[in-house]
Amino acid sequence: EVQLVESGGGLVQPGGSLRLSCAASGFSFSTYWMTWVRQAPGKGLEWVANIDQGGSGTYYVDSVKGRFTISRDNAKNSLCLQMNSLRAEDTALYYCARRVVRGGDDEFDTWGQGTFVTVSS
Amino acid sequence: DIQMTQSPSSLSASPGDRVTITCRASQSISNYLNWYQQKAGQAPKLLIYASSSLQSGVPSRFSGDGFGTDFTLSISSLQPEDFATYYCQQSRYTPITFGQGTRLEIK
Repeated sequence: EVQLVESGGGLVQPGGSLRLSCAASGFSFSTYWMTWVRQAPGKGLEWVANIDQGGSGTYYVDSVKGRFTISRDNAKNSLCLQMNSLRAEDTALYYCARRVVRGGDDEFDTWGQGTFVTVSS
Repeated sequence: DIQMTQSPSSLSASPGDRVTITCRASQSISNYLNWYQQKAGQAPKLLIYASSSLQSGVPSRFSGDGFGTDFTLSISSLQPEDFATYYCQQSRYTPITFGQGTRLEIK
C-alpha cells in the first residue's frame, strides 16, 4: 500500500524553527517528485515546495523562499521540510504528497494525513 | 502567478442531482488541470488529472472537461459521500496554484 506519514509538527514561537518529516512506503520513492502543500485553518490549499527525484531541483512559493528548505533522503525513503524564521501566517496543516510528472500531466496522486504547525507566542 | 477562480464558492444540491463546478485560469494552462475532493478532517484526494482523465478507483459519475482557461468538473448523480469541498489546481506553471474551493452541501 502506498503510504505517506508526516511528523514533526507542533507549537513554535514566531521566529523559531521546526523540521517536518514525511515517511514514504509502498512505492519506489526515489523515482517520484515530492511536494509539500499546506492548509491554514478553515482555508484552502496552498502549494509550498517541490523537489525532484534526485533532490537537486527544488522550488518554492515566494512566501517561504529563503526560510524553508525541502530535502529528501532516498536511502531512507524520507522527505523533509526545514522551516526557519516562522511567522504566524505559517500556521497550517502541512501535507506531503507524491507528485506524478508525465509527458502530458502533472498531479499529486497520494497525500499523507498532515502534521499541524502552530506559530504563536 | 496563475490565478485559479472557481465558481460557485458553495453549492447546495440533493442526492441524485447533477452538478457542475467551473474553474477558470488567468491564462492558458493547456490541459494541466487537476481536481481534488476534500472531506472534513481528511486529506485531499485526486479525482481528475489532465483535465479529463479519471484517477484510478474514482467512480465514473465524476468527469472533467476543458482546455486553455476554462474547465469543469461534473458529478452526474450525487451520492451522499460526494458532499465535500472540491479544488482545482494548475500544474502548468510554477508556482503551482489551487482554486479557492467549492463547498458542496446537502440541500
